[in-house]
Amino acid sequence: SYVVTQPPSVSVAPGQTATITCGGNNIGRKSVHWNQQKPGQAPVLVVYDDDDRPSGIPERFSGSNSGNTATLTISRVEAGDEADYYCQVYTSETDHVGFGGGTKLTVL
Amino acid sequence: QVQLVQSGAEVKKPGASVKVSCKASGDTFSEYYINWVRQAPGQGLEWMGRINPNSGDTNYPQKFQGRVTMSRDTFITTTYMELRGLTSDDTAVYYCAKTLRGDYLDDAFGIWGQGTMVTVSS
Repeated sequence: SYVVTQPPSVSVAPGQTATITCGGNNIGRKSVHWNQQKPGQAPVLVVYDDDDRPSGIPERFSGSNSGNTATLTISRVEAGDEADYYCQVYTSETDHVGFGGGTKLTVL
Repeated sequence: QVQLVQSGAEVKKPGASVKVSCKASGDTFSEYYINWVRQAPGQGLEWMGRINPNSGDTNYPQKFQGRVTMSRDTFITTTYMELRGLTSDDTAVYYCAKTLRGDYLDDAFGIWGQGTMVTVSS
């Protein structure tokens, strides 16, 4: 199965930029989606197809994907951005969906 | 506005089965895949499979094959996920999630249900 790897945690001060990575073999050839999950809540889609935002998601959330790494970037981080973030990819060879292990974003 | 509303929390004994429902409203039911994802306490997200509400076709990862069945009732725009042979490892929150744009296999999950807590305990 296709494996995607995320750092367990990322910390950033308010107003700074947070970068969360999702690594996988040639992940740049796949569409990567990012989900935000706050404690006790269902996940919410924040970026899809590498770098698109659903309606209602602030422009501070952006994404990129190239080579073996996809990246979620959160600019001007706010306290309300503190959450777990999961990358999601589809593997056509197996017709399966996979999630990264999740990254806990802490706002200092 | 599109919503997915799931059934309530369940407590089951080991070896039992559980069937969780997910009712869709506010959109064309058959045009989007419904996926099921679970999350054990303190753990990450785990994909359990998908159903095409239009055709009823399903796809399950090997881990759950033979133990899970996803179905739908188009008349009441509801999908179901049944898991059999429960063990304590199946204690988790179970989510349904609808694809963002339609019946695309690599699509993002645009709308999630509120989650259903299933507890397996003797």
